[in-house]
Amino acid sequence: ETGVTQTPRHLVMGMTNKKSLKCEQHLGHNAMYWYKQSAKKPLELMFVYNFKEQTENNSVPSRFSPECPNSSHLFLHLHTLQPEDSALYLCASSQHPTSGTEQYFGPGTRLTVT
Amino acid sequence: GIQVEQSPPDLILQEGANSTLRCNFSDSVNNLQWFHQNPWGQLINLFYIPSGTKQNGRLSATTVATERYSLLYISSSQTTDSGVYFCAGYQGAQKLVFGQGTRLTINP
Repeated sequence: ETGVTQTPRHLVMGMTNKKSLKCEQHLGHNAMYWYKQSAKKPLELMFVYNFKEQTENNSVPSRFSPECPNSSHLFLHLHTLQPEDSALYLCASSQHPTSGTEQYFGPGTRLTVT
Repeated sequence: GIQVEQSPPDLILQEGANSTLRCNFSDSVNNLQWFHQNPWGQLINLFYIPSGTKQNGRLSATTVATERYSLLYISSSQTTDSGVYFCAGYQGAQKLVFGQGTRLTINP
């Protein structure tokens, strides 16, 4: 599935570093999402963007800062992370921000915070 | 919010066997999806199924919305079917709530 791409695929960063995750969707969708998958926990929704506007922040700490410059690109800026933030970060998109349109996921970025 | 419970948590089968994975919801959902997560972490869409039954090759899914459950059937399992299977229900317009997953291992 190459409809949603994510870079980098793997990232190791120290707690004082600043890094960014990038997501791009090639499906012509209007909604984009960030999810977090930690070991032994269900996938958790972090942020939702509709037509570039943030419509949901699921109580995510401010050390995670999303950015959506257009409907095709989504970034997650990271700074002063904690070791417990190590996880797989997944981006998704859907065609329209109405009830239950199918979401498609990228391959994820596996983040390790040392 | 809704709770999503999947069973069994782990399933080990021999190649060629059939399996049924179950997903229960604590409240009604607008829609739901089934995914297969491969060993590299990629979530692959299997079904988008608010109600009724759908089939795709050896896989089929049935959702009974009024009774708040969905089933995923895998027939004639292959080693490539191994991985974690997730169901996720829509809470509201866009919030997908995931279950803990079923880890399926198919031995040759």
